Amino acid sequence: SQQGEEDPQALSIQEGENATMNCSYKTSINNLQWYRQNSGRGLVHLILIRSNEREKHSGRLRVTLDTSKKSSSLLITASRAADTASYFCATTQGGSEKLVFGKGTKLTVNP
Amino acid sequence: EAQVTQNPRYLITVTGKKLTVTCSQNMNHEYMSWYRQDPGLGLRQIYYSMNVEVTDKGDVPEGYKVSRKEKRNFPLILESPSPNQTSLYFCASSLGRALGYEQYFGPGTRLTVT
Repeated sequence: SQQGEEDPQALSIQEGENATMNCSYKTSINNLQWYRQNSGRGLVHLILIRSNEREKHSGRLRVTLDTSKKSSSLLITASRAADTASYFCATTQGGSEKLVFGKGTKLTVNP
Repeated sequence: EAQVTQNPRYLITVTGKKLTVTCSQNMNHEYMSWYRQDPGLGLRQIYYSMNVEVTDKGDVPEGYKVSRKEKRNFPLILESPSPNQTSLYFCASSLGRALGYEQYFGPGTRLTVT
């Protein structure tokens, strides 16, 4: 079952602009994680935000979590061509150990 | 170097011929899991393991088997592969429960079943 759904499916911006991606989920979560994937390669963990946190920063990344709206957003500031990748959110539900990924947002940053 | 390794990286096989994709991690992680990635469907979890001898089904376990006899290894077995198992497979591990820890992913195994 698909828990997280990213929006938009694809995003194309110019270098230096900010990129915002959203993730919506259906059931209550324990935490939410964001991952990045360069084409055809393994996913790389970006940030984990727990259900009792509202915002988290890591370098140029800012993640917010709104449990009342069952949504999260990932903001990449001052984007670079090297940020071109697909970005996925992942959640665990209730007491389950299953990690459920969304379908991803494909970000293209044009130089 | 801390890493998750998978072998083989690429595999072309025929329907019905049993195969095993190996996964190994050198980080002493407890949690390991397998995913398949298909266009338009994202990543879907096949099986996961909380620790040695403890495995459980993910969202798409049909047609797959796993075992966890040692902490570092978590092989994925396709007893009788079929064309619908053509996919990109990823193994991942984490220090502890999926609830609270980041996943470290392997480089992927691209499987084609003809």
